[in-house]
Amino acid sequence: KAGVTQTPRYLIKTRGQQVTLSCSPISGHRSVSWYQQTPGQGLQFLFEYFSETQRNKGNFPGRFSGRQFSNSRSEMNVSTLELGDSALYLCASSLEAGGITDTQYFGPGTRLTVL
Amino acid sequence: AQKITQTQPGMFVQEKEAVTLDCTYDTSDPSYGLFWYKQPSSGEMIFLIYQGSYDQQNATEGRYSLNFQKARKSANLVISASQLGDSAMYFCAMRETLNSGGSNYKLTFGKGTLLTVNP
Repeated sequence: KAGVTQTPRYLIKTRGQQVTLSCSPISGHRSVSWYQQTPGQGLQFLFEYFSETQRNKGNFPGRFSGRQFSNSRSEMNVSTLELGDSALYLCASSLEAGGITDTQYFGPGTRLTVL
Repeated sequence: AQKITQTQPGMFVQEKEAVTLDCTYDTSDPSYGLFWYKQPSSGEMIFLIYQGSYDQQNATEGRYSLNFQKARKSANLVISASQLGDSAMYFCAMRETLNSGGSNYKLTFGKGTLLTVNP
């Protein structure tokens, strides 16, 4: 079974631009979560989607948004990019959102650099 | 207060020896799950092992085992017979409910421990 895939793997943008990252979950997984990873802040939760609905949201500004499609694929968008948005963005999928046993499986990440 | 604390920023181990990576957690929720992930330099987070708060026995998965001490709120990862390929960042994470009633959950990660396996 194919793992979580993320596209693109690398991205370079300039301040003020916007960017869209894509995530395809493991087949059969209905929940997708997004994380931002930086050397200073570590791994921070962005949001979680299940059945096309955002279930949880982390403490990020409104410039960060996402959505999930009927096939469980997800996209996240960052508008008006800032230098501090440079990070590794990780997507994770799980069978279903809910329960302490729900194991998240991660994709390879998209490394975003904002110049 | 941090939810997940990994006190060892870096650890070194000789190949074929065992190593323990520490993790303590903080929660008042009686129901929670503990996870360990490995992140090689390539960036992908690889799931290693899971321990539920109600599990009576320590979890094991191949060369990985979890030393779960509930009263101490610790969930240390033990890697036996270390291999060069084990060199990576290791993250401890906890999944707990965001609200009473348990309909929303959140996975919180520690800062990680960088393990280096020496030949």
